[in-house]
Amino acid sequence: GESVGLHLPTLSVQEGDNSIINCAYSNSASDYFIWYKQESGKGPQFIIDIRSNMDKRQGQRVTVLLNKTVKHLSLQIAATQPGDSAVYFCAVAKGAQKLVFGQGTRLTINP
Amino acid sequence: DAGVIQSPRHEVTEMGQEVTLRCKPISGHNSLFWYRQTMMRGLELLIYFNNNVPIDDSGMPEDRFSAKMPNASFSTLKIQPSEPRDSAVYFCASSRQGYEQYFGPGTRLTVT
Repeated sequence: GESVGLHLPTLSVQEGDNSIINCAYSNSASDYFIWYKQESGKGPQFIIDIRSNMDKRQGQRVTVLLNKTVKHLSLQIAATQPGDSAVYFCAVAKGAQKLVFGQGTRLTINP
Repeated sequence: DAGVIQSPRHEVTEMGQEVTLRCKPISGHNSLFWYRQTMMRGLELLIYFNNNVPIDDSGMPEDRFSAKMPNASFSTLKIQPSEPRDSAVYFCASSRQGYEQYFGPGTRLTVT
């Protein structure tokens, strides 16, 4: 089966700096990758997703990079703001249905 | 647009009691997912439905757990009888099949 791991359980950055959150997965057959943001007391909020036929996708202030060779996924947040403080989860699946979640990285923004 | 709606938001019950969690997916979504989140195990998929049909229930912990989706706008997750180790936050999510899943606010269940 699939397993998903994150490189750092916590990350602290200065407001205005860029943040990079990393994720590794095990199953080379996985073809769908997604990032969620979870604030305290709330459900996971969709940020951005990418499929295996792409290696980069950009949204508003966020970029997801996919390296299928080393089975690595990253989320880049540009010019971090206090509202970006949350736990960030990556999830992986084959076919976008049966998501397997990582343990999450808690991002703290320092003023 | 209304997101995924879950009720109740909080449930406190005694061991042995039946618990029913409810979910209304986003209109137009044809896939529905039930997850459980704990500190120890993180977010785990329990079961999911496509077009109201259960597709994969391999994540359901044991026979005490059951889920139904009688129509496209309603699903329930039932625990009978409940045990203290069932204490967790239960999330419902919905999607158009094959696309991103949107989560509800969750139900925090405490079994004493």
